[in-house]
Amino acid sequence: EPEVTQTPSHQVTQMGQEVILRCVPISNHLYFYWYRQILGQKVEFLVSFYNNEISEKSEIFDDQFSVERPDGSNFTLKIRSTKLEDSAMYFCASRNTDTQYFGPGTRLTVL
Amino acid sequence: AQSVAQPEDQVNVAEGNPLTVKCTYSVSGNPYLFWYVQYPNRGLQFLLKYITGDNLVKGSYGFEAEFNKSQTSFHLKKPSALVSDSALYFCAVLRQGGGYNKLIFGAGTRLAVHP
Repeated sequence: EPEVTQTPSHQVTQMGQEVILRCVPISNHLYFYWYRQILGQKVEFLVSFYNNEISEKSEIFDDQFSVERPDGSNFTLKIRSTKLEDSAMYFCASRNTDTQYFGPGTRLTVL
Repeated sequence: AQSVAQPEDQVNVAEGNPLTVKCTYSVSGNPYLFWYVQYPNRGLQFLLKYITGDNLVKGSYGFEAEFNKSQTSFHLKKPSALVSDSALYFCAVLRQGGGYNKLIFGAGTRLAVHP
């Protein structure tokens, strides 16, 4: 069964550094998402992406964040200058119909 | 605004007993409701959904959920719990807008099934 994959599984970075989180959505899906889960808190929507552009973004998704689909398979989330409060689990999801399928997540730790 | 509430942080049940994990929602219009499960160090796995039709929906691993419009609830159930069902369960509602559809999650309920 096709799955969403994410790399790396764990990323440790220093405050102020740039990070890129990578996702490979399910191959025939057209809608892509990033969510995050700060430890002990709810899963929160960050951004949705369709037809090579952002379709919706949350208040969290400020100018420090960007997304890209650089080729036909990858979907990336970039954080330009990480802050301590960016430490969280980041989930990628994709869909074609109404059901979103999630990847295993990347745990980002900002020191 | 659309929201989801999971009133229990944790549910404890003995193996072989029935389990219920509660979820209530607040939406405008017809709700699209989902349950996801998260095992340790794993992502969110889709369990089941209610879109329309029969109020009792069946999903993976023997789980089912009952949509109750008058009580605005979508409780997750299983007739006989297994120790391997121990995990974090999330209820979510699909906020529809412009076709791009984001999920709004509840806080999650930790299910602990004891042998």
